Amino acid sequence: DAGVIQSPRHEVTEMGQEVTLRCKPISGHNSLFWYRQTMMRGLELLIYFNNNVPIDDSGMPEDRFSAKMPNASFSTLKIQPSEPRDSAVYFCASSRFSGANTGELFFGEGSRLTVL
Amino acid sequence: LAKTTQPISMDSYEGQEVNITCSHNNIATNDYITWYQQFPSQGPRFIIQGYKTKVTNEVASLFIPADRKSSTLSLPRVSLSDTAVYYCLVGGADGLTFGKGTHLIIQP
Repeated sequence: DAGVIQSPRHEVTEMGQEVTLRCKPISGHNSLFWYRQTMMRGLELLIYFNNNVPIDDSGMPEDRFSAKMPNASFSTLKIQPSEPRDSAVYFCASSRFSGANTGELFFGEGSRLTVL
Repeated sequence: LAKTTQPISMDSYEGQEVNITCSHNNIATNDYITWYQQFPSQGPRFIIQGYKTKVTNEVASLFIPADRKSSTLSLPRVSLSDTAVYYCLVGGADGLTFGKGTHLIIQP
């Protein structure tokens, strides 16, 4: 299995530009999670999906952030417009389980975003 | 939402056993306890999960007392490559929040 695949691995953009991060979860996994990691705030859960449906987006910082999961094998996290404070590593993770116990989360290698 | 408390950092030496304790006083009846390991520039990796008593796998052991208000991750005979950040998570669907973790540094 290829694991969770994220793209791009690195992105540098200018303030105000739109950023789209992509994730392909492990085949057969029912849940997908987007996290953001910074030195100051650690790993923050932004949003998670169960069977392609957003379950909890309370971690999404503001309206500039949006996430979609059009099918079981693809998800996007979009930031529009981007700001320097959005600079972080964005991780996608997937899990076979859902509900009370998500079991093991499998993380991708992350997308490092730098907004100038 | 069960909150966890871990030491910010720990030091040890190669070949030693390392125990990292996590406090979770508000753990709910249905909550599981899960530990992850993260190396620089990588995503977290699952180590072990448990509900009560003791769980052991090829990498670590997890000790959970009867009241489940804390848990201890035990790494036997650590090596330099075990230097990483270790996270304790409690819960399920709403317990997917990672704290700051414990930065474990292994020295020769």
